[in-house]
Amino acid sequence: DQQVKQNSPSLSVQEGRISILNCDYTNSMFDYFLWYKKYPAEGPTFLISISSIKDKNEDGRFTVFLNKSAKHLSLHIVPSQPGDSAVYFCAAYPYGQNFVFGPGTRLSVLP
Amino acid sequence: DADVTQTPRNRITKTGKRIMLECSQTKGHDRMYWYRQDPGLGLRLIYYSFDVKDINKGEISDGYSVSRQAQAKFSLSLESAIPNQTALYFCATSGFSGETQYFGPGTRLLVL
Repeated sequence: DQQVKQNSPSLSVQEGRISILNCDYTNSMFDYFLWYKKYPAEGPTFLISISSIKDKNEDGRFTVFLNKSAKHLSLHIVPSQPGDSAVYFCAAYPYGQNFVFGPGTRLSVLP
Repeated sequence: DADVTQTPRNRITKTGKRIMLECSQTKGHDRMYWYRQDPGLGLRLIYYSFDVKDINKGEISDGYSVSRQAQAKFSLSLESAIPNQTALYFCATSGFSGETQYFGPGTRLLVL
């Protein structure tokens, strides 16, 4: 059973609008969460992270929200740009242990 | 130059053949990892190494072996390749805290 779920395999958004990517997890021991972005023919690259002691972390156009009671996190991209089109992976881990990745969501930002 | 490199980038092999995928890093990290990516399954951990003398199995280690030749080098071997090992393979590194991993560009492997 997947411990990290991304229930939307794909998402299409108009350029300039907000993109919201969602991630749910089942393991309450996870205390650190990350988002990675992957372009075709490249490896995943780190985008943004959040510790379980916070409920929000912001970096430019990217904001990650964490709702521990719901075991849910989301990545907001505002405004969305065509260069944001990629696969986004959610990852989680208990401190000192290994990452668990979600299956990914393919974001398409339409011009 | 890329911090994490993988060779080869693409490989086609036949069932039963032995194959080695190589990873090198210039980030000076102690921790290195091998993952495979399959459609709809995300990235799954095969093996990881926290230093040259430390090797650990990950979630899906059956059919694979690894060698940590130096701090900067971590190789993945398929002793006898089978078609369901067709996948995209990624090497990654991280520092001591392990909070962020840095990935190589990947090796696309096709086993016929």
